[in-house]
Amino acid sequence: DAKTTQPPSMDCAEGRAANLPCNHSTISGNEYVYWYRQIHSQGPQYIIHGLKNNETNEMASLIITEDRKSSTLILPHATLRDTAVYYCIVNMRFGAGTRLTVKP
Amino acid sequence: NAGVTQTPKFQVLKTGQSMTLQCAQDMNHEYMSWYRQDPGMGLRLIHYSVGAGITDQGEVPNGYNVSRSTTEDFPLRLLSAAPSQTSVYFCASSYSIGRNYGYTFGSGTRLTVV
Repeated sequence: DAKTTQPPSMDCAEGRAANLPCNHSTISGNEYVYWYRQIHSQGPQYIIHGLKNNETNEMASLIITEDRKSSTLILPHATLRDTAVYYCIVNMRFGAGTRLTVKP
Repeated sequence: NAGVTQTPKFQVLKTGQSMTLQCAQDMNHEYMSWYRQDPGMGLRLIHYSVGAGITDQGEVPNGYNVSRSTTEDFPLRLLSAAPSQTSVYFCASSYSIGRNYGYTFGSGTRLTVV
């Protein structure tokens, strides 16, 4: 099963872009990469997903490398409310996530 | 449209007791799953189902049973509760097994086994 590796924590200044990396070097050809975030102890919230191409929605952008072994979630203008734990997921498996702290 | 509903929200059990965590969705989703989240950790997959009558094990299935008699419901049974099962349990559902659809999560059940 594909596993994901993320840095345990990151800081970002309010209004700046937050770039969260994820390594998924064992991903299979037909497996999607999903990103979720969890605020406090609430249920995880879906952000975005992709297979090969870069994706963008109203919340974020997802950049997937050509070899699909890593990806980056981009929050273009981080706000204090984006402070959360961000999870990169492949094949229904969560990693430990990255705790993003957005600072004023 | 309630999404994914989990009951109860909180539960305290004594070691050895059994109980069922309920999960229901009203989105006609085929795929449902159960995760547990221990303090400071990510979510770990317990069991999942790709449709009524079909279930499979995830990463940490021991001590838990599931069944899927209807599309809407996916209960999780603790057969003989142990302190190691103290955790927050999340149920999730998706239109399909995940090729191109995100998962919707419930708000969780916080279980303490004493």
